[in-house]
Formats: sequence, structure tokens, C-alpha cells
Amino acid sequence: EPEVTQTPSHQVTQMGQEVILRCVPISNHLYFYWYRQILGQKVEFLVSFYNNEISEKSEIFDDQFSVERPDGSNFTLKIRSTKLEDSAMYFCASSEPASYGSNSYEQYFGPGTRLTVT
Amino acid sequence: DQQVKQNSPSLSVQEGRISILNCDYTNSMFDYFLWYKKYPAEGPTFLISISSIKDKNEDGRFTVFLNKSAKHLSLHIVPSQPGDSAVYFCAASAGGSNYKLTFGKGTLLTVNP
Repeated sequence: EPEVTQTPSHQVTQMGQEVILRCVPISNHLYFYWYRQILGQKVEFLVSFYNNEISEKSEIFDDQFSVERPDGSNFTLKIRSTKLEDSAMYFCASSEPASYGSNSYEQYFGPGTRLTVT
Repeated sequence: DQQVKQNSPSLSVQEGRISILNCDYTNSMFDYFLWYKKYPAEGPTFLISISSIKDKNEDGRFTVFLNKSAKHLSLHIVPSQPGDSAVYFCAASAGGSNYKLTFGKGTLLTVNP
């Protein structure tokens, strides 16, 4: 069964450093998302991406964040200068284009990258 | 800003009995609702969903009920199995062009053998 993969599984970085989190969405999916979950809190939407551009972003997704689909398979989240409060689990998700028998609402999540900023 | 609320942080049931997980929402623009299951150190796994034009959707042991007038949905698991023990998240989407999901805080379900 196809699945979303994410690397690395755990990233430790120092405050102020740049990090890139990588995701490989399911191959026929066209909608891509990043969410995060701070320990003990709910899963929060960060950004959605479709047709090579951001379709919506939350207020969390400020100028320090960027996303990119550098090739036909990877989807990346970059944090330019990490802060302590960026420590969280980051989940990538994807969904397929709406068509008969498919549903773009149903997002499939990767296993997450645990980002620890020290 | 809790647009999706799961007021029970935990639920414990006996194996073989019914588990009922509840979720309330406040945003009238939500038109699609989903339940996800999450084990520790894993990502959320899609379980079942329902469109706002329906009031029930069933998939095997899992049934989701939607009461639009009450802005309430519930997930029924019958019969419950120990492997169902996990955190269950309710999520909602207002559709549009991006399908972003708004999640509840989750309910930890424990099914005791």
C-alpha cells in the first residue's frame, strides 16, 4: 500500500540554524500539506501546496518557513532560523485530486519528523 | 480558538463492548469530517469520514454519525478490540481550494482485554 514517507525521523538542531524536513508524498497525489504537533497539543495546520504554489498558510507559517517541491517526488519544509518554540512533530500529508471514486479531503499522513531545537 | 472540540481526553472500555467517541464543532462552514487514529511515534492514520450531506457512514466495525443541527459527530467502534487502543482525532474541513484540516485535541481510547 502506498504511503507518505518522511526523513529524518528525528532532527536535533541549535537555535538559529536552518533545517530542512523532507517528505515523499504518495505518487499520484497532487495536494500536499505540512502540519505540526507541539507536545501535548493538537495537530495544527501549517501550509497547503497545490500546482507548485502555496494555496493556504496559517499564521504560524511566517517568513521563517518555506516549502518547495524541488522535483517530481519530494516536498520539503524549510525553517530558516529555528527557535526553541519550533520544537514539535512535523507531519507531511498528501491527498489525491478529486475525481470519481476519490476524495481530496482524505489526507494521508507520514510518520512525522521530531524536531528538537536546543 | 477551538473550532473542533473533543471534550473527553480519555475513554476506557472492555473488549467486545462499544466505544463511542464524541466531537463537537463550531464552524458552520465545515462540510467534511474525518476520524484519524494515532499510535505513539506514528503519524495519524485515516480511519473513516463523512460528508455533511450524510448523517451516517459505516465501514466494518466503525460507524460515524453526524448531527448537523447539533454540530456534533461521533465515532462508534463495535466490537472494540485491544488493538483499537490509540488516540483518536476528529478533524474537519471547510473544503474550498485547499482542504486543510482542523483537528480536535484527541481522545485516548483504551480497550481492556
